[in-house]
Amino acid sequence: GAGVSQSPRYKVAKRGQDVALRCDPISGHVSLFWYQQALGQGPEFLTYFQNEAQLDKSGLPSDRFFAERPEGSVSTLKIQRTQQEDSAVYLCASSGTRSGNTIYFGEGSWLTVV
Amino acid sequence: DQQVKQNSPSLSVQEGRISILNCDYTNSMFDYFLWYKKYPAEGPTFLISISSIKDKNEDGRFTVFLNKSAKHLSLHIVPSQPGDSAVYFCAASPNDYKLSFGAGTTVTVRA
Repeated sequence: GAGVSQSPRYKVAKRGQDVALRCDPISGHVSLFWYQQALGQGPEFLTYFQNEAQLDKSGLPSDRFFAERPEGSVSTLKIQRTQQEDSAVYLCASSGTRSGNTIYFGEGSWLTVV
Repeated sequence: DQQVKQNSPSLSVQEGRISILNCDYTNSMFDYFLWYKKYPAEGPTFLISISSIKDKNEDGRFTVFLNKSAKHLSLHIVPSQPGDSAVYFCAASPNDYKLSFGAGTTVTVRA
């Protein structure tokens, strides 16, 4: 497809379970971002990749969160030992440039931890 | 700390009238500002942006105004249409990769 694709769209995890969220960016986009959006809030920055290099992971809430983009294309956000406060929509975005004005978002992965 | 604030969680406007959405920010390093529109179960889509060197940018029915001294920007939609009913997010960046978003304003356009 032409847009940013995320899977799964919906995930229900039991507390303590590990989850993996996948993002397929727009082909050729060098920049990839992960954002977390809690209910009733705006998206909050988690991490940024330029090609395969993770240049900024300052927004990751804890060491249970890990992101990778090994070949500079598809990215995976992994959350270990999920907790209820991890329930949110996880948005992936990509850009052909480095700046924020050309960011295209995916539809998000809705995670509910029960 | 919330660096971008949208103090009105919701706005209801009659079709054909003007919608005005407001946004305030605290970080003086922000120099690029964006508005995103979001429908339910979809990701945010880029609507319009403005650089800090300008005070107005217009694109069709959408106009963004920036008041740097007040650290305030607004989005005007004229005329409002039913398809404009969505959540609108204000975002700001120090012209690099990281966007800071407001909490959003839900706009409902009444027929």
